[in-house]
Amino acid sequence: LAKTTQPISMDSYEGQEVNITCSHNNIATNDYITWYQQFPSQGPRFIIQGYKTKVTNEVASLFIPADRKSSTLSLPRVSLSDTAVYYCLVRSSARQLTFGSGTQLTVLP
Amino acid sequence: GAGVSQSPSNKVTEKGKDVELRCDPISGHTALYWYRQRLGQGLEFLIYFQGNSAPDKSGLPSDRFSAERTGESVSTLTIQRTQQEDSAVYLCASSLGGSGGYTFGSGTRLTVV
Repeated sequence: LAKTTQPISMDSYEGQEVNITCSHNNIATNDYITWYQQFPSQGPRFIIQGYKTKVTNEVASLFIPADRKSSTLSLPRVSLSDTAVYYCLVRSSARQLTFGSGTQLTVLP
Repeated sequence: GAGVSQSPSNKVTEKGKDVELRCDPISGHTALYWYRQRLGQGLEFLIYFQGNSAPDKSGLPSDRFSAERTGESVSTLTIQRTQQEDSAVYLCASSLGGSGGYTFGSGTRLTVV
């Protein structure tokens, strides 16, 4: 089981780029890295998933170094509405165990 | 439907009573999961269904918790003899299986008084 470690909280200002790093030292060969966003009183929402190098979609970018022992979620030009908890998840199949405590991102005006 | 639907959205029950929570996954999603989220905490895995395979119940915290799923459709999570520590948001998610992302419902907020 690949355990993940993320900062508990981060603060940023509107318009800045935010990078949240997740450590997963014992990631397995078949594991994917997935990030979710959760607003209060809502279920988590899928943001992005990757296996190696860089993945970009309309919301975020995911950077994964060659050793895959960490990953960085990058949110460009954040706004107040990006204030949420962000979870990093490592999994190799549909089966899943436990999400970590996530990173509380607070975007300040 | 277009998303994962959970009912009820809120449930207040007395300690010792049984409760049943319902999840309607996205049509065609073979995998279904239940998670529990206590206030201010991360998500705690409870149980996982994949097609007609035996469910993975390894996350259920006690024998008061059980879940069923009919084929690849509706699932119910039952908590018997509820305790105050059962108070939490219960989230259901479904996926196509494999390494695809989950789609979560909005959850059922259970309060045991």
